[in-house]
Amino acid sequence: QSALTQPASVSGSPGQSITISCTGTSSDVDGYKYVSWYQQHPDKAPKIMIYDVSHRPSGVSNRFSGSKSGDTASLTISGLQAEDEADYYCSSYTSNSPYAFGTGTRVTVL
Amino acid sequence: EMQLVQSGAEVKKPGESLRISCKASGYSFATSWVGWVRQMPGKGLEWMGIIYPGDSRIIVSPSFQGQVTISVDKSISTAYLQWSSLQASDTAVYYCARQVGFCTSATCFGAFDVWGQGTMVSVSS
Repeated sequence: QSALTQPASVSGSPGQSITISCTGTSSDVDGYKYVSWYQQHPDKAPKIMIYDVSHRPSGVSNRFSGSKSGDTASLTISGLQAEDEADYYCSSYTSNSPYAFGTGTRVTVL
Repeated sequence: EMQLVQSGAEVKKPGESLRISCKASGYSFATSWVGWVRQMPGKGLEWMGIIYPGDSRIIVSPSFQGQVTISVDKSISTAYLQWSSLQASDTAVYYCARQVGFCTSATCFGAFDVWGQGTMVSVSS
């Protein structure tokens, strides 16, 4: 069972901004700077969107941004578009596993 | 272009053995960790374990310890995930992915920047 908790679903209208949270414990998300975020469309492999809390890989839209405060990391999608509809996972070191993914969040564009 | 290409879908019976593969190209295979991730039908991502091809160091999640074997053939830039006796509960899509970052003896820090296309493993009698 993942130690990184995400909301099961988040929705927004086109053009709006949404934020997905990823909550661990003080020894997980809080203690390290290596939180990353992945986007997964149905029947596709995951794609990295953010690494090291807030860094965007080349080619990822600047509408995606990451941050961390205390034991919670966040992914914000601004200017929501239909193509952003997907599942999103955070990941990090955790205190009871060498590495872990979050529980996952389904983003729906209304 | 960095790429990980996985072997094709498998249909197996309980108790059978299986090895799936992940072939890397476009980067230095020996100097980047390669991990394996399970995704059961309709479920989330689960980190299974990781291997460093340069010296075959392996870290396995406690949840998968003893259930699978991770190995590598550096000479052909290929990582493997192996089962000796499959169970129906092993039915899932398995992804390999390259990690950028580092691992200590028990913990990994970093992100998966290149992913394979996934291998569907179906186990049914």
